[in-house]
Amino acid sequence: GQNIDQPTEMTATEGAIVQINCTYQTSGFNGLFWYQQHAGEAPTFLSYNVLDGLEEKGRFSSFLSRSKGYSYLLLKELQMKDSASYLCAVCCQLIWGAGTKLIIKP
Amino acid sequence: NAGVTQTPKFRVLKTGQSMTLLCAQDMNHEYMYWYRQDPGMGLRLIHYSVGEGTTAKGEVPDGYNVSRLKKQNFLLGLESAAPSQTSVYFCASSTAGGSYNEQFFGPGTRLTVL
Repeated sequence: GQNIDQPTEMTATEGAIVQINCTYQTSGFNGLFWYQQHAGEAPTFLSYNVLDGLEEKGRFSSFLSRSKGYSYLLLKELQMKDSASYLCAVCCQLIWGAGTKLIIKP
Repeated sequence: NAGVTQTPKFRVLKTGQSMTLLCAQDMNHEYMYWYRQDPGMGLRLIHYSVGEGTTAKGEVPDGYNVSRLKKQNFLLGLESAAPSQTSVYFCASSTAGGSYNEQFFGPGTRLTVL
């Protein structure tokens, strides 16, 4: 079967670093995507990994290991505005994880 | 450039009623998608289209129909609404080809079926 797993909820402190993991088992793979979704809003694109390794984009970085079926999203210098759900998706973005709700505390 | 728009934004239906959700994009994207999002379930693909005049089933197509008569529009129909179809519906679009095809989402339609 096809499956994507993410933690349901995480809590972190403003200014800290948090890592959100995503593991996947899919019949096909052509890249892994991370999206951010604020409550009541539409998802917006954050990052895309197709090769193994770390992709850095400002305060956000995304890592992929295809052999392990594993990715993580790393958020540094957390700000209150980073409180949102983070969704990972694979296989042409037709298969999505349930999302990780990130709560930032002052 | 409006991006992806959806109408209506909110709707309340009674069981058995029908309705059509409209998605429009002005980015000349080939691919369009309809998702539903329920608490704790993430995004689930209902139907998608890889071009004008073509549609395909996603993960949860039952109870829904779609049409893509024009490239810029993707319609989602509920012929006989059921309470299980209470959800937030998102439309998205993306370019065709290659593996990097970031999806752009509409603002969502909140549907309640009583």
